[in-house]
Amino acid sequence: AQSVTQPDIHITVSEGASLELRCNYSYGATPYLFWYVQSPGQGLQLLLKYFSGDTLVQGIKGFEAEFKRSQSSFNLRKPSVHWSDAAEYFCAVAYTGGFKTIFGAGTRLFVKA
Amino acid sequence: SQTIHQWPATLVQPVGSPLSLECTVEGTSNPNLYWYRQAAGRGLQLLFYSVGIGQISSEVPQNLSASRPQDRQFILSSKKLLLSDSGFYLCAWTETGVGYTFGSGTRLTVV
Repeated sequence: AQSVTQPDIHITVSEGASLELRCNYSYGATPYLFWYVQSPGQGLQLLLKYFSGDTLVQGIKGFEAEFKRSQSSFNLRKPSVHWSDAAEYFCAVAYTGGFKTIFGAGTRLFVKA
Repeated sequence: SQTIHQWPATLVQPVGSPLSLECTVEGTSNPNLYWYRQAAGRGLQLLFYSVGIGQISSEVPQNLSASRPQDRQFILSSKKLLLSDSGFYLCAWTETGVGYTFGSGTRLTVV
């Protein structure tokens, strides 16, 4: 069965520091991969997505993610975190012809001054 | 442009009362529609999805039900709420089967 693992329940980084959120998936074929962000009490917003092609994808708000097939990973990165980036981040995977997206359990990001 | 509306934003209901949450999408046709629930401090649980009018797929057996009376309308219902139904309910749509657009959510508290 397909699954998505976000090994870090929460992460704390200092403002201005770099960020990497980890995501691993379990699926036989090449999946469609996503990162979403959720601010408290809000719905989820799509940050970026990978369908095919260049394995380094750029998203909104200065985020990027890299697809590594050999590691079944799709880690999210940002070179310099801002206090407004504090939120919960969800990695997700879908597949061609499917109607469902599988979400990871989420990683909550705390940003300290 | 496409928009998704979900209401109400918050709801406090007594145990045993009925529930109706509504979600509508504008600016698209024949979207795939989804209901998710997010319990406090936990990830997203897919409850129902629909690929067309009158077509409902249930992922988790429970006392909730869903209906799609119109192409761009998706309703989540319950005849009798349980305490365990409390949570944050999210509606989402997608046109191509990938890349969700989420509504702003409904915070349901069953008391």
